Amino acid sequence: SQQGEEDPQALSIQEGENATMNCSYKTSINNLQWYRQNSGRGLVHLILIRSNEREKHSGRLRVTLDTSKKSSSLLITASRAADTASYFCATDGDGQNFVFGPGTRLSVLP
Amino acid sequence: DAGVIQSPRHEVTEMGQEVTLRCKPISGHDYLFWYRQTMMRGLELLIYFNNNVPIDDSGMPEDRFSAKMPNASFSTLKIQPSEPRDSAVYFCASSLAYQETQYFGPGTRLLVL
Repeated sequence: SQQGEEDPQALSIQEGENATMNCSYKTSINNLQWYRQNSGRGLVHLILIRSNEREKHSGRLRVTLDTSKKSSSLLITASRAADTASYFCATDGDGQNFVFGPGTRLSVLP
Repeated sequence: DAGVIQSPRHEVTEMGQEVTLRCKPISGHDYLFWYRQTMMRGLELLIYFNNNVPIDDSGMPEDRFSAKMPNASFSTLKIQPSEPRDSAVYFCASSLAYQETQYFGPGTRLLVL
């Protein structure tokens, strides 16, 4: 299966701390994406990283990709209560559209 | 653009009834996806379309589910007859191209009693 698997399943941190979530996958990919889902809402795209890229930044978000280890990480710096959400990685492959992992539930405590 | 629009936002129905969920993708997007999300199974891809043509419906759980896209700005997902185990949040998403960013609608929360 191409499905990515996020780790940890749940994470609780204090406001101001950094949050790191990981995604591992099994087969080669073309692209990997991270999405956020607030409770009761649809998924919101955060970052897309291509297989030939190693790192991307967007504001307080930093995504890394290690294709040799088949893994990616999402770092949220200086977390805020508003960052409380579920975070999903989605991976694709040759001839296959994106498949979403089960997600990491992040709680940022004030 | 208003983003992906889904209706209704909430639907409560009784077992055996027909349910129709609607989606308007972002204008200009060639791909449209239907997903189902439950606590037990997470986010599952049901079917996706390219230029109004169904490409992969292998995720459709059974014959009770059907999806159509009569034109580039409208798609429906129909469940007939509905069952309690169909209770879930159904999302529609669209993307500009293959293997590109998907933009999700707000979802339809379906409860089958």
